[in-house]
Amino acid sequence: DAMVIQNPRYQVTQFGKPVTLSCSQTLNHNVMYWYQQKSSQAPKLLFHYYDKDFNNEADTPDNFQSRRPNTSFCFLDIRSPGLGDAAMYLCATSPPGNWVQFFGPGTRLTVL
Amino acid sequence: KQEVTQIPAALSVPEGENLVLNCSFTDSAIYNLQWFRQDPGKGLTSLLLIQSSQREQTSGRLNASLDKSSGRSTLYIAASQPGDSATYLCAVTGPGNQFYFGTGTSLTVIP
Repeated sequence: DAMVIQNPRYQVTQFGKPVTLSCSQTLNHNVMYWYQQKSSQAPKLLFHYYDKDFNNEADTPDNFQSRRPNTSFCFLDIRSPGLGDAAMYLCATSPPGNWVQFFGPGTRLTVL
Repeated sequence: KQEVTQIPAALSVPEGENLVLNCSFTDSAIYNLQWFRQDPGKGLTSLLLIQSSQREQTSGRLNASLDKSSGRSTLYIAASQPGDSATYLCAVTGPGNQFYFGTGTSLTVIP
């Protein structure tokens, strides 16, 4: 089945230790998104890619970066995680035109 | 900036009851509105998508309506079941591919 896959599902890191979350898709969608969702809050958009065109939300901290080496893969790098970065990180994809978003299962990040 | 609001924040109903979840948005210039379901600790599952030119969409026991001019959408769930317990989120897509989520309604269906 075509889908959005996120690895790992659960990630534990130490304060200040860089971490990378990955997302892959078999949907061949042009657009990929990264969201951060904290407990009981709505998902907050961090970045999105339209093909290789990178779009950074104005209030996304510099601590967060992203890479998209090809259509299928997208990575979220957190350079120096703080306690406030503990959250669920959601990846989504979208075909151009109707902007329907398909979400992965998320990666739950814990910062110790 | 678009603001999306969902009321109530939490809802508890007995099994079998029909219910309505509400979503309102401030800017009517949207391309579409999506309703999602999120189970605790999980990702989002898309339930229904309504394009801006449409008034409603139906899938099984779910019916979503859209009134763009008044900035409102409702999700109607018929004959609720305990398995419907989850958080329901609405989201609108606007110009520039901006995607705005509401804060969700947490639904509990009591057996």
